[in-house]
Amino acid sequence: QVQLQESGPGLVKSSETLSLTCTVSGGPLTFHSWSWVRQPAGKGLEWVGHIYSTGVTKYSPSLKGRLTLSLDPSKSQVSLNLTSVTAADTALYYCARLNYYFGYSLDVWGQGTTVAVSS
Amino acid sequence: ELVLTQSPGTLSLSPGERVTLSCRASQGISGTYLTWYQHKPGQTPRLLIYGASSRATGIPDRFSGSGSGTDFTLTISRLDPEDFAVYYCQYYGASPPYTFGQGTKLEIK
Repeated sequence: QVQLQESGPGLVKSSETLSLTCTVSGGPLTFHSWSWVRQPAGKGLEWVGHIYSTGVTKYSPSLKGRLTLSLDPSKSQVSLNLTSVTAADTALYYCARLNYYFGYSLDVWGQGTTVAVSS
Repeated sequence: ELVLTQSPGTLSLSPGERVTLSCRASQGISGTYLTWYQHKPGQTPRLLIYGASSRATGIPDRFSGSGSGTDFTLTISRLDPEDFAVYYCQYYGASPPYTFGQGTKLEIK
């Protein structure tokens, strides 16, 4: 059974780069596609981006230019890099599996990692 | 850009009641890529319904989804105390963003 575990620094300074990783266990990284979703405190879910098993990426237009997703099969990890962060990037960040067989739904989720941006 | 509007924003109901949640798209969409999630505070979101009407693995049959075009619904036939949560719809379209609806909160009356 596939399990996801996000990790990150917890606190990032404004204007710096946020780097998160999602470690995938219980299944091959490159057989699936992966998504990031975030949730600011007290708000709804916000789609961040996808990375397909081919390495092709789709990003939220609101983050485009700042966001990079990548795969590291040797570590079974999905990485997120978000540059020039601001307070608006403070959120709980989830990694999830994008499942083609279930209508491109997000069928497995990590527990999430909290990110706070300080000024 | 597609917008998914969920209504109502909040519902106060009692266990045992039947409830229907709405997800309206700003343009016609394919139900094949319309998904519903349940999210409880402090927990990870949970896939409920994919393809507008297919229940995910392990989801009780009191949950059902339907709809087409611009109007989609999630129905819970008889509310269980564990069903009080926030429900989101999401659409995977031809191009991003793959926006979530703003969510409907089900709270205990």
